[in-house]
Amino acid sequence: SAVISQKPSRDICQRGTSLTIQCQVDSQVTMMFWYRQQPGQSLTLIATANQGSEATYESGFVIDKFPISRPNLTFSTLTVSNMSPEDSSIYLCSVGTTDKDKYFGPGTRLTVT
Amino acid sequence: AQSVSQHNHHVILSEAASLELGCNYSYGGTVNLFWYVQYPGQHLQLLLKYFSGDPLVKGIKGFEAEFIKSKFSFNLRKPSVQWSDTAEYFCAVNAGGSTLGRLYFGRGTQLTVWP
Repeated sequence: SAVISQKPSRDICQRGTSLTIQCQVDSQVTMMFWYRQQPGQSLTLIATANQGSEATYESGFVIDKFPISRPNLTFSTLTVSNMSPEDSSIYLCSVGTTDKDKYFGPGTRLTVT
Repeated sequence: AQSVSQHNHHVILSEAASLELGCNYSYGGTVNLFWYVQYPGQHLQLLLKYFSGDPLVKGIKGFEAEFIKSKFSFNLRKPSVQWSDTAEYFCAVNAGGSTLGRLYFGRGTQLTVWP
């Protein structure tokens, strides 16, 4: 199993600024995923982050807007850059483990004004 | 690309009614299937999952789901809902059966249960 924590849990930011979200896992995991859940919508994968390599971004998401770091096997950050109100969402970190389960963090609720 | 369809966007039931939420996916190979629940103001929680074996899987809180491979479906059921089941329900698929791969989510079904 895996227990995931995220910081901050919520934030209100002004447009044009950037926010870095942290994801900490209580065990070493190979793959970490960042999802976005816009209001009233389902979860959309932003990128997959493997330790020691560049993140792989899904269609519609680019590194300049959502840079990701993965410095070790228990930690990752997602930055939402040059924010606009359309970036208001819940951002979730997720990991996959060898028991096939997928674990999710509590999410970071971002509001951009 | 893989896709997951949840046909019911919003379901409204009275307590004690039976529930069935539909989920279909598009992938012809091995899949791992999940149902997640998100209670108001809370984060995603795993309700149940199917990896292999008995296609009828039982989860927490009296929920169950049946995997029908020929129909590419993984419908969620509960014989008698409670007011506390009011939540959003997401079906998700891990295509290819990879232990570490990403999930594809359906759009979600909002369940409202009236007391």
